Amino acid sequence: GAVVSQHPSWVICKSGTSVKIECRSLDFQATTMFWYRQFPKQSLMLMATSNEGSKATYEQGVEKDKFLINHASLTLSTLTVTSAHPEDSSFYICSARVLGQGDNSPLHFGNGTRLTVT
Amino acid sequence: AQKVTQAQTEISVVEKEDVTLDCVYETRDTTYYLFWYKQPPSGELVFLIRRNSFDEQNEISGRYSWNFQKSTSSFNFTITASQVVDSAVYFCAPDFSGGYNKLIFGAGTRLAVHP
Repeated sequence: GAVVSQHPSWVICKSGTSVKIECRSLDFQATTMFWYRQFPKQSLMLMATSNEGSKATYEQGVEKDKFLINHASLTLSTLTVTSAHPEDSSFYICSARVLGQGDNSPLHFGNGTRLTVT
Repeated sequence: AQKVTQAQTEISVVEKEDVTLDCVYETRDTTYYLFWYKQPPSGELVFLIRRNSFDEQNEISGRYSWNFQKSTSSFNFTITASQVVDSAVYFCAPDFSGGYNKLIFGAGTRLAVHP
């Protein structure tokens, strides 16, 4: 149980284009999802907290107009990298907290999306 | 400041050896949660354990065990009789956000277990 699916697993796009990454909770509902970014051989950095039905909360230094987050339902959050540039190339990972399990319950992570901007 | 340190960048062991991964953190909070996650080469993060700051009892789960020392702000992870399948990056990730699940990930320790 508690499976989080990300799509696509990898994507290559040209500089200046936009890319949408989907994060779905397959067998549970999630009012809160989190988006992380991970550079090669580095740690995960929290980018934003996605809340169903409301605006996302971005961490300091993360451009909200660059990384658009939409959490339209209890099972889907999307991250759109707008006007992508090579420096946006990274591994993006989402995670979700199971609705009803309470605060500090373990997060369930997707398998990540590797974005390469050429 | 709140931070987490995993001083061991990479560890290499031979199968069946025991290995301990260190995690030290800094916080002035008295209530917080500590997590360990495993990231195998495939990329997904796998939850291993959650511990709240009031529970200092050590925990064992199969070959895995955790030693929480609140006095020294450490939450170390030991794998007994390591196996090749244990090869992965292991992250210690405290949550000092008071219930908002905002994990702070350490730099990670890359464990390589050789046959």
